[in-house]
Amino acid sequence: DAGITQSPRHKVTETGTPVTLRCHQTENHRYMYWYRQDPGHGLRLIHYSYGVKDTDKGEVSDGYSVSRSKTEDFLLTLESATSSQTSVYFCAISGGGTANVYGYTFGSGTRLTVV
Amino acid sequence: AQKVTQAQTEISVVEKEDVTLDCVYETRDTTYYLFWYKQPPSGELVFLIRRNSFDEQNEISGRYSWNFQKSTSSFNFTITASQVVDSAVYFCALSDENTGNQFYFGTGTSLTVIP
Repeated sequence: DAGITQSPRHKVTETGTPVTLRCHQTENHRYMYWYRQDPGHGLRLIHYSYGVKDTDKGEVSDGYSVSRSKTEDFLLTLESATSSQTSVYFCAISGGGTANVYGYTFGSGTRLTVV
Repeated sequence: AQKVTQAQTEISVVEKEDVTLDCVYETRDTTYYLFWYKQPPSGELVFLIRRNSFDEQNEISGRYSWNFQKSTSSFNFTITASQVVDSAVYFCALSDENTGNQFYFGTGTSLTVIP
């Protein structure tokens, strides 16, 4: 029943390499988000998108870029991965509008380890 | 600035006990939204409840209840007659009119229910 899927689920990469995480939704929602989850920090917003080619920065956007060329796909790229980017990454969508009205539906997460 | 504090990092209870998870928030907006999410050991994030700042009625859903008090800026979550399946990390989150697309999450409370 998942309307939102993330790939890969797990990834180990080396410091300095580029990494792209993919979020795919089948709900045709306008808003999509990338969060990272770290112990002691809860979840923090990296970037979000409010439409095709429309994106904005969140609280912890340094070192990350995003792209949205289709409604259903939202890509998160680490141009040159660092150990501080080891985290669990969650993609989210909000149903029909802004998140504060509709809340988030989260993907299953991607566990990224940078060695 | 927006902030959510979950002072209880870990809680352990014996099955069938009641347990309350605390959430204290900070915002300067008069219109804001509060959420609770559950993260079971499998790792997904599950939406539990959304409450806006104009609705101070407490809510009950089965064994779950929420107490929203604007006077103390708190939105506490009580589980009655806890069960092992309630073992999870619980996150409280805040968004407001100025940051409608960004949620501010607390650091989470890890609840363990001992059989």
